[in-house]
Amino acid sequence: AQSVTQPDIHITVSEGASLELRCNYSYGATPYLFWYVQSPGQGLQLLLKYFSGDTLVQGIKGFEAEFKRSQSSFNLRKPSVHWSDAAEYFCAVGAHNNNDMRFGAGTRLTVKP
Amino acid sequence: EAGVVQSPRYKIIEKKQPVAFWCNPISGHNTLYWYLQNLGQGPELLIRYENEEAVDDSQLPKDRFSAERLKGVDSTLKIQPAELGDSAVYLCASSTGQGTGNTIYFGEGSWLTVV
Repeated sequence: AQSVTQPDIHITVSEGASLELRCNYSYGATPYLFWYVQSPGQGLQLLLKYFSGDTLVQGIKGFEAEFKRSQSSFNLRKPSVHWSDAAEYFCAVGAHNNNDMRFGAGTRLTVKP
Repeated sequence: EAGVVQSPRYKIIEKKQPVAFWCNPISGHNTLYWYLQNLGQGPELLIRYENEEAVDDSQLPKDRFSAERLKGVDSTLKIQPAELGDSAVYLCASSTGQGTGNTIYFGEGSWLTVV
């Protein structure tokens, strides 16, 4: 089965600074990859997804992510963080042969004024 | 278009009591998921339905947890009896189920506290 590792439990950045959240996956074929965001007390909202094609994908709220097969990574980036981006971010990987999806443990983002 | 609807949003019960959560998926979504999210953790799959069939329930603790999806639309997740360790968020999600890699849409979750 597929799996996801998010190495950073907690990241703090200053407002206006750039952001990169790391995600590594394990899967025997080309994966389907997702980033979700969860604000306190809320469900998960999809930021972006990669199925195939261009390895740099654009999402909502100014986020982007790059699929790197050689590194088994799908890191999330944003050039300038806003205070409202403070939340929990989850990377997820889907399989080709079913509708299963597995999540990482999440990275909590704190934004300093 | 309405999203995934879950109820109740919050529930506090005493241990050994039963509890049930209800989920209404997005209209037309054949695949329905129940995930468990412990504090500070990512969601973990409990059970996945394709229409009314439970196709993956390997992570569902069947001694106390049960789920059903009658008529392939709404679903109910039940815990009986609840234990202190069941305090968590129970997330319902749905997708179109048409092939792989479908986007999964989540409800806001049912937050359970067992005291």
